[in-house]
Amino acid sequence: GAVVSQHPSWVICKSGTSVKIECRSLDFQATTMFWYRQFPKQSLMLMATSNEGSKATYEQGVEKDKFLINHASLTLSTLTVTSAHPEDSSFYICSASATDRKNQPQHFGDGTRLSIL
Amino acid sequence: AQSVTQLGSHVSVSEGALVLLRCNYSSSVPPYLFWYVQYPNQGLQLLLKYTSAATLVKGINGFEAEFKKSETSFHLTKPSAHMSDAAEYFCAVSEDEGGKLIFGQGTELSVKP
Repeated sequence: GAVVSQHPSWVICKSGTSVKIECRSLDFQATTMFWYRQFPKQSLMLMATSNEGSKATYEQGVEKDKFLINHASLTLSTLTVTSAHPEDSSFYICSASATDRKNQPQHFGDGTRLSIL
Repeated sequence: AQSVTQLGSHVSVSEGALVLLRCNYSSSVPPYLFWYVQYPNQGLQLLLKYTSAATLVKGINGFEAEFKKSETSFHLTKPSAHMSDAAEYFCAVSEDEGGKLIFGQGTELSVKP
């Protein structure tokens, strides 16, 4: 089955640092990847849609300069949380839609728990 | 615009009992509907999906859901709960199968021995 790998699974860092999270589709090519954020005991909120070779589409209220998304290849998208602060602490989950598998649902990574001290 | 409402943030059942998790949706276009399960500190696993084929959809682990357009519902059921079913369940809607998902608030399922 389709596999999406997310790395790292857990990161703790000091306030003010930037953190990069990788999302890889391991056995399929993904034109589109999605980034979600999930607070404890809450649902997933879509942050942005990442399209290979073009700029990401951000949802309303998501700071583009704060959450930098790069989708440089058909198998890799990255989310960089710039100058992270404690309020950015959350669970970040990516998902990918296969390019060559029409009518296939999204496949999710296992998430990255980000803790900013 | 699309939206999803899950009735009941927490459902508790006994092992062997019927599981019923409720989901109502709103969509201006024919919806694609999904149920996902999430275990602690993990991503989401697809249980089943509705894509305008059969209205009764069977998924993994014995779960099924029925699409009822007249009620704008897509409730998830399982005849007999197992301890391993304890998890968070999310209903989601999309305009197409691989497109962005709008999630409900989630329902935490507890299973008592």
